[in-house]
Amino acid sequence: EPEVTQTPSHQVTQMGQEVILRCVPISNHLYFYWYRQILGQKVEFLVSFYNNEISEKSEIFDDQFSVERPDGSNFTLKIRSTKLEDSAMYFCASSPSDNEQFFGPGTRLTVL
Amino acid sequence: GENVEQHPSTLSVQEGDSAVIKCTYSDSASNYFPWYKQELGKGPQLIIDIRSNVGEKKDQRIAVTLNKTAKHFSLHITETQPEDSAVYFCAARALPSSNTGKLIFGQGTTLQVKP
Repeated sequence: EPEVTQTPSHQVTQMGQEVILRCVPISNHLYFYWYRQILGQKVEFLVSFYNNEISEKSEIFDDQFSVERPDGSNFTLKIRSTKLEDSAMYFCASSPSDNEQFFGPGTRLTVL
Repeated sequence: GENVEQHPSTLSVQEGDSAVIKCTYSDSASNYFPWYKQELGKGPQLIIDIRSNVGEKKDQRIAVTLNKTAKHFSLHITETQPEDSAVYFCAARALPSSNTGKLIFGQGTTLQVKP
């Protein structure tokens, strides 16, 4: 059964450094999302992406964040200058339509 | 904006008993309500969903009910098994102008099924 995959599973970085989180959505899906989950809190929406552009972004998704689909398979989230409060699990999701969303296993980002 | 509240935060049941998790939402325009199961170290897994034109949906031991008037929906798990132990999240699909539905999640319920 096709799955969303994410790399790395765990990323440790120093505050102020740039990180890129990578996702490979399910191949025939058209909608892509990033969510994050701070330890013990709700899963929060960050951004949605469709037709090679951002469809919607949350207040969390400020100028430090960007997304890209550089080729036909990868979907990346970049954080330019990480802050301590960026430490969280980051989940990529994809959807064939704008309903069912299938999540990847997540990347745990630790900012020191 | 949309807000989803989920109760209880923890639920412990004996194997074979039923478990019920309840969620309320604030945006009456929401029209899609998925439930996710998250096991330790894994991402949320879609287990069942319901659309606003349906009042109830069942898939084997799992059922979801929706009351649009009251703006609440519930997950029912019957004949619980130890492997049902996980964190369960409800979510509601908001309707942004862009028409790509971000999900608003509840706080999660940690279900423990005791053998």
